[in-house]
Amino acid sequence: SAVISQKPSRDICQRGTSLTIQCQVDSQVTMMFWYRQQPGQSLTLIATANQGSEATYESGFVIDKFPISRPNLTFSTLTVSNMSPEDSSIYLCSAEEVSYGYTFGSGTRLTVV
Amino acid sequence: AQSVTQLDSQVPVFEEAPVELRCNYSSSVSVYLFWYVQYPNQGLQLLLKYLSGSTLVKGINGFEAEFNKSQTSFHLRKPSVHISDTAEYFCAVSEGDAGNKLTFGGGTRVLVKP
Repeated sequence: SAVISQKPSRDICQRGTSLTIQCQVDSQVTMMFWYRQQPGQSLTLIATANQGSEATYESGFVIDKFPISRPNLTFSTLTVSNMSPEDSSIYLCSAEEVSYGYTFGSGTRLTVV
Repeated sequence: AQSVTQLDSQVPVFEEAPVELRCNYSSSVSVYLFWYVQYPNQGLQLLLKYLSGSTLVKGINGFEAEFNKSQTSFHLRKPSVHISDTAEYFCAVSEGDAGNKLTFGGGTRVLVKP
């Protein structure tokens, strides 16, 4: 299966600032996904990122708050903009491999103070 | 739209005892099914998956799951747990075709007691 390197692994940020999370995959993948895991909760899909097209956002998530880039088939970034304490969560990226399923990065633990 | 229900939010179990984690899904089309484990302060690790073929799926660390289409279930089992199996377990479903998103259940926290 593919291996995903996600960074930063954790960060503490001031409210009102932005953080960009990066995910690098060791092989080319068509579909990448970004999830949020709020404290003690399950994973919620933020958006699906295809190379060469705009990301598709789930209900409750908007591009202005969570802009996503997907410049090639091995890389994607998620920015959490104008952060508030409610954005404190674990953010995970995922890549789909048709014959394998879905692989996840190790997550970014974000605390907004 | 697909959805996943994990019927138990917490399962305490004694070491070396068996454990079963229940997962039911709803979907109008054929599905792929997954179980992931999340150890404290770590990312998600794939335990096992059902894509097609045999309905009994064996995974890592001695886990297995059975896909039951008529009952729309994909329960996870392990005959004898270890302390190291203490973790959060997530059932997830995608609707078959490549490129479809994973939908996760609410998770089951397994606490293995000595």
